[in-house]
Amino acid sequence: DTEVTQTPKHLVMGMTNKKSLKCEQHMGHRAMYWYKQKAKKPPELMFVYSYEKLSINESVPSRFSPECPNSSLLNLHLHALQPEDSALYLCASSQWTGGSILEGEQFFGPGTRLTVL
Amino acid sequence: GEDVEQSLFLSVREGDSSVINCTYTDSSSTYLYWYKQEPGAGLQLLTYIFSNMDMKQDQRLTVLLNKKDKHLSLRIADTQTGDSAIYFCAEGNTDKLIFGTGTRLQVFP
Repeated sequence: DTEVTQTPKHLVMGMTNKKSLKCEQHMGHRAMYWYKQKAKKPPELMFVYSYEKLSINESVPSRFSPECPNSSLLNLHLHALQPEDSALYLCASSQWTGGSILEGEQFFGPGTRLTVL
Repeated sequence: GEDVEQSLFLSVREGDSSVINCTYTDSSSTYLYWYKQEPGAGLQLLTYIFSNMDMKQDQRLTVLLNKKDKHLSLRIADTQTGDSAIYFCAEGNTDKLIFGTGTRLQVFP
Protein backbone atom coordinates (compact mmCIF):
# COMPACT_ATOMS: atom_id res chain seq x y z
CA ASP A 1 0.00 0.00 0.00
CA THR A 2 1.77 3.15 -1.22
CA GLU A 3 -1.14 5.48 -0.77
CA VAL A 4 -1.79 8.54 1.33
CA THR A 5 -5.51 9.14 1.78
CA GLN A 6 -7.14 12.41 2.74
CA THR A 7 -10.69 13.17 3.82
CA PRO A 8 -12.80 14.96 3.01
CA LYS A 9 -12.08 15.63 -0.64
CA HIS A 10 -13.93 18.95 -0.52
CA LEU A 11 -14.92 21.11 2.45
CA VAL A 12 -16.91 24.31 2.61
CA MET A 13 -17.00 26.08 5.96
CA GLY A 14 -17.97 29.38 7.46
CA MET A 15 -15.62 31.59 9.40
CA THR A 16 -17.13 30.54 12.73
CA ASN A 17 -17.06 26.79 12.08
CA LYS A 18 -14.69 24.21 13.51
CA LYS A 19 -13.69 21.40 11.17
CA SER A 20 -10.89 18.87 10.78
CA LEU A 21 -8.93 17.49 7.86
CA LYS A 22 -7.69 13.94 8.09
CA CYS A 23 -4.74 12.16 6.52
CA GLU A 24 -3.82 8.50 6.77
CA GLN A 25 -0.96 6.32 5.55
CA HIS A 26 -0.08 2.68 6.19
CA MET A 27 3.40 2.64 4.72
CA GLY A 28 5.13 2.78 8.11
CA HIS A 29 6.36 6.29 7.39
CA ARG A 30 7.46 8.23 10.45
CA ALA A 31 7.47 11.72 8.92
CA MET A 32 4.21 13.41 7.92
CA TYR A 33 3.59 16.83 6.48
CA TRP A 34 0.88 19.42 5.84
CA TYR A 35 1.19 21.73 2.83
CA LYS A 36 -1.06 24.54 1.64
CA GLN A 37 -1.43 25.20 -2.08
CA LYS A 38 -3.21 28.26 -3.42
CA ALA A 39 -4.47 28.26 -6.99
CA LYS A 40 -1.70 28.44 -9.59
CA LYS A 41 0.94 28.49 -6.85
CA PRO A 42 3.42 25.91 -5.56
CA PRO A 43 2.76 24.02 -2.31
CA GLU A 44 3.99 25.74 0.84
CA LEU A 45 5.04 23.74 3.86
CA MET A 46 2.97 24.28 6.99
CA PHE A 47 3.95 21.57 9.48
CA VAL A 48 6.21 18.54 9.77
CA TYR A 49 5.77 15.71 12.26
CA SER A 50 8.54 13.22 12.86
CA TYR A 51 7.87 10.24 15.11
CA GLU A 52 4.54 11.80 16.06
CA LYS A 53 6.21 14.95 17.37
CA LEU A 54 5.89 18.36 15.76
CA SER A 55 9.33 19.20 14.38
CA ILE A 56 8.61 22.10 12.02
CA ASN A 57 5.95 24.82 12.24
CA GLU A 58 6.38 27.34 9.46
CA SER A 59 4.91 30.21 11.50
CA VAL A 60 1.39 29.05 10.71
CA PRO A 61 -1.44 31.01 12.40
CA SER A 62 -2.94 29.33 15.45
CA ARG A 63 -6.29 28.95 13.73
CA PHE A 64 -4.61 25.89 12.16
CA SER A 65 -3.86 23.23 14.76
CA PRO A 66 -2.12 20.01 13.73
CA GLU A 67 -2.37 16.74 15.59
CA CYS A 68 -0.65 13.40 15.11
CA PRO A 69 -2.52 10.87 17.27
CA ASN A 70 -0.46 7.92 16.03
CA SER A 71 2.10 7.03 13.39
CA SER A 72 -0.53 6.49 10.68
CA LEU A 73 -2.76 9.50 11.22
CA LEU A 74 -2.35 13.23 10.84
CA ASN A 75 -5.11 15.73 11.48
CA LEU A 76 -5.42 19.43 10.85
CA HIS A 77 -7.98 21.16 13.05
CA LEU A 78 -9.46 24.35 11.66
CA HIS A 79 -11.13 27.11 13.65
CA ALA A 80 -12.11 30.69 12.83
CA LEU A 81 -10.61 30.56 9.36
CA GLN A 82 -10.57 33.46 6.93
CA PRO A 83 -11.61 33.44 3.25
CA GLU A 84 -7.95 33.79 2.27
CA ASP A 85 -7.34 30.37 3.85
CA SER A 86 -9.26 28.80 0.97
CA ALA A 87 -6.80 26.47 -0.76
CA LEU A 88 -5.87 22.87 -1.49
CA TYR A 89 -4.43 21.26 1.64
CA LEU A 90 -2.00 18.47 0.88
CA CYS A 91 -0.76 15.82 3.24
CA ALA A 92 2.44 13.89 2.59
CA SER A 93 4.47 11.22 4.33
CA SER A 94 7.97 9.87 4.00
CA GLN A 95 10.21 7.23 5.45
CA TRP A 96 12.60 8.69 7.99
CA THR A 97 15.43 6.86 9.70
CA GLY A 98 16.83 9.70 11.75
CA GLY A 99 18.96 11.52 9.20
CA SER A 100 17.63 14.24 6.95
CA ILE A 101 13.92 13.97 6.40
CA LEU A 102 14.68 14.60 2.75
CA GLU A 103 16.31 11.19 2.36
CA GLY A 104 12.92 9.61 1.92
CA GLU A 105 10.56 10.22 -0.98
CA GLN A 106 7.52 12.23 0.03
CA PHE A 107 4.27 10.57 -1.00
CA PHE A 108 1.43 13.04 -1.40
CA GLY A 109 -2.26 12.56 -0.88
CA PRO A 110 -4.81 13.95 -3.35
CA GLY A 111 -5.59 16.89 -1.09
CA THR A 112 -8.63 18.49 0.49
CA ARG A 113 -10.01 21.47 -1.36
CA LEU A 114 -11.14 23.93 1.31
CA THR A 115 -13.43 26.88 0.72
CA VAL A 116 -14.01 29.37 3.53
CA LEU A 117 -17.08 31.55 3.11
CA GLY B 1 15.84 34.71 -1.03
CA GLU B 2 14.33 31.28 -1.49
CA ASP B 3 12.60 31.77 -4.86
CA VAL B 4 12.83 28.82 -7.23
CA GLU B 5 11.93 30.03 -10.70
CA GLN B 6 10.35 28.20 -13.61
CA SER B 7 8.83 29.36 -16.86
CA LEU B 8 5.04 29.36 -16.62
CA PHE B 9 4.01 27.48 -19.71
CA LEU B 10 5.33 25.03 -22.31
CA SER B 11 3.45 23.66 -25.30
CA VAL B 12 4.80 20.71 -27.33
CA ARG B 13 3.57 18.38 -30.04
CA GLU B 14 2.99 14.74 -29.15
CA GLY B 15 6.10 12.70 -29.85
CA ASP B 16 8.49 15.63 -29.47
CA SER B 17 10.79 16.15 -26.51
CA SER B 18 9.91 18.60 -23.73
CA VAL B 19 12.48 20.48 -21.70
CA ILE B 20 11.38 22.16 -18.49
CA ASN B 21 13.85 24.47 -16.80
CA CYS B 22 14.31 25.54 -13.22
CA THR B 23 16.62 28.00 -11.51
CA TYR B 24 17.13 27.58 -7.81
CA THR B 25 18.83 29.83 -5.32
CA ASP B 26 20.34 27.79 -2.51
CA SER B 27 23.71 26.32 -3.46
CA SER B 28 23.68 24.19 -0.30
CA SER B 29 20.62 22.21 -1.41
CA THR B 30 21.37 18.54 -1.14
CA TYR B 31 18.59 17.11 -3.27
CA LEU B 32 16.71 18.46 -6.26
CA TYR B 33 13.39 17.01 -7.33
CA TRP B 34 10.85 17.02 -10.09
CA TYR B 35 7.17 16.56 -9.22
CA LYS B 36 4.14 16.25 -11.51
CA GLN B 37 0.68 17.49 -10.56
CA GLU B 38 -2.37 16.63 -12.61
CA PRO B 39 -5.55 18.74 -12.27
CA GLY B 40 -7.22 18.32 -8.90
CA ALA B 41 -4.60 15.86 -7.70
CA GLY B 42 -1.68 15.72 -5.33
CA LEU B 43 1.96 15.70 -6.33
CA GLN B 44 3.74 12.72 -7.77
CA LEU B 45 7.51 12.46 -7.46
CA LEU B 46 8.98 11.81 -10.91
CA THR B 47 12.66 11.77 -10.15
CA TYR B 48 15.32 13.39 -8.04
CA ILE B 49 19.04 14.04 -8.26
CA PHE B 50 21.71 14.45 -5.62
CA SER B 51 23.62 17.68 -5.77
CA ASN B 52 26.89 15.85 -6.49
CA MET B 53 25.51 14.46 -9.76
CA ASP B 54 25.37 16.14 -13.17
CA MET B 55 22.84 13.93 -14.87
CA LYS B 56 20.32 11.23 -14.15
CA GLN B 57 18.33 9.23 -16.64
CA ASP B 58 15.20 7.27 -15.85
CA GLN B 59 13.35 5.82 -18.86
CA ARG B 60 11.91 8.81 -20.76
CA LEU B 61 13.16 11.31 -18.18
CA THR B 62 16.57 12.97 -18.14
CA VAL B 63 17.58 15.39 -15.41
CA LEU B 64 20.51 17.73 -15.93
CA LEU B 65 22.05 19.72 -13.08
CA ASN B 66 24.40 22.66 -13.49
CA LYS B 67 25.46 23.51 -9.96
CA LYS B 68 27.58 26.46 -10.99
CA ASP B 69 24.58 28.19 -12.57
CA LYS B 70 22.06 26.65 -10.13
CA HIS B 71 20.11 25.38 -13.10
CA LEU B 72 18.08 22.19 -13.24
CA SER B 73 16.25 20.80 -16.24
CA LEU B 74 13.88 17.94 -16.95
CA ARG B 75 13.75 16.46 -20.42
CA ILE B 76 10.81 14.23 -21.32
CA ALA B 77 11.43 12.19 -24.44
CA ASP B 78 8.56 11.19 -26.74
CA THR B 79 6.08 13.40 -24.89
CA GLN B 80 2.56 11.98 -24.69
CA THR B 81 -0.81 13.62 -24.03
CA GLY B 82 -0.80 11.94 -20.63
CA ASP B 83 2.24 14.04 -19.74
CA SER B 84 0.09 17.19 -19.75
CA ALA B 85 0.26 18.51 -16.20
CA ILE B 86 2.02 21.05 -14.03
CA TYR B 87 5.64 20.23 -13.26
CA PHE B 88 7.31 21.54 -10.11
CA CYS B 89 10.99 21.46 -9.38
CA ALA B 90 11.91 21.52 -5.71
CA GLU B 91 15.10 21.98 -3.79
CA GLY B 92 15.75 20.18 -0.54
CA ASN B 93 17.54 22.08 2.16
CA THR B 94 17.91 20.60 5.65
CA ASP B 95 14.41 19.29 6.31
CA LYS B 96 12.37 21.42 3.94
CA LEU B 97 11.29 21.25 0.34
CA ILE B 98 11.08 24.57 -1.48
CA PHE B 99 8.96 24.24 -4.59
CA GLY B 100 9.39 26.15 -7.81
CA THR B 101 6.65 28.25 -9.34
CA GLY B 102 5.52 25.40 -11.62
CA THR B 103 5.44 24.92 -15.40
CA ARG B 104 2.23 23.95 -17.13
CA LEU B 105 3.03 21.49 -19.92
CA GLN B 106 0.44 21.18 -22.65
CA VAL B 107 0.83 18.39 -25.22
CA PHE B 108 -1.13 18.67 -28.45
CA PRO B 109 -1.64 15.98 -31.09
